[in-house]
Amino acid sequence: DAGVTQSPTHLIKTRGQHVTLRCSPISGHKSVSWYQQVLGQGPQFIFQYYEKEERGRGNFPDRFSARQFPNYSSELNVNALLLGDSALYLCASSLGPGAGELFFGEGSRLTVL
Amino acid sequence: TQLLEQSPQFLSIQEGENLTVYCNSSSVFSSLQWYRQEPGEGPVLLVTVVTGGEVKKLKRLTFQFGDARKDSSLHITAAQPGDTGLYLCAGAINAGGTSYGKLTFGQGTILTVHP
Repeated sequence: DAGVTQSPTHLIKTRGQHVTLRCSPISGHKSVSWYQQVLGQGPQFIFQYYEKEERGRGNFPDRFSARQFPNYSSELNVNALLLGDSALYLCASSLGPGAGELFFGEGSRLTVL
Repeated sequence: TQLLEQSPQFLSIQEGENLTVYCNSSSVFSSLQWYRQEPGEGPVLLVTVVTGGEVKKLKRLTFQFGDARKDSSLHITAAQPGDTGLYLCAGAINAGGTSYGKLTFGQGTILTVHP
């Protein structure tokens, strides 16, 4: 069975641009969470979606948005990119909305120049 | 804001040595998880502890959850080069009886085991 898949794996943007990151959860998992991991730090919670509804939001500005589709895949959008948005963006899936076992993808490495 | 403080931040040891990584908070967590992350990959779950005082063993790794569910430790016996990686603790808090998939991570411990 395929694990959590994320795309793209690496991308480079310039300040002010916007980016869309995509995530496909493990088959049968209905919950997707997004985390930002800056180099040298632990991941920080951005969003959680369950059954296409936002169930949790971390302390991130409104430039960050996300959505979940009927097939449970998800997109994370970041507008007006800043240098500080450079990070590894991790998607995690789980069966339900609880913080039980999370399965992480390999992440999308975003570099903002 | 719930914070998890991990220590030490860096650990460089020789093969065969023992080590302990600590994870502390002023908040009470419903459960605490330990992950291992290798370069270029996402974190992989090692264990989940949910009961205060709980001890779990996974081969050479021993995990403990504090009685008050505010702290945890990871002990590795006879470390091997394959144990090298970033170790992360992460806590979950039930909100109104339902946790929402939000984990609070510590900043991580980079472990290097030299042959």
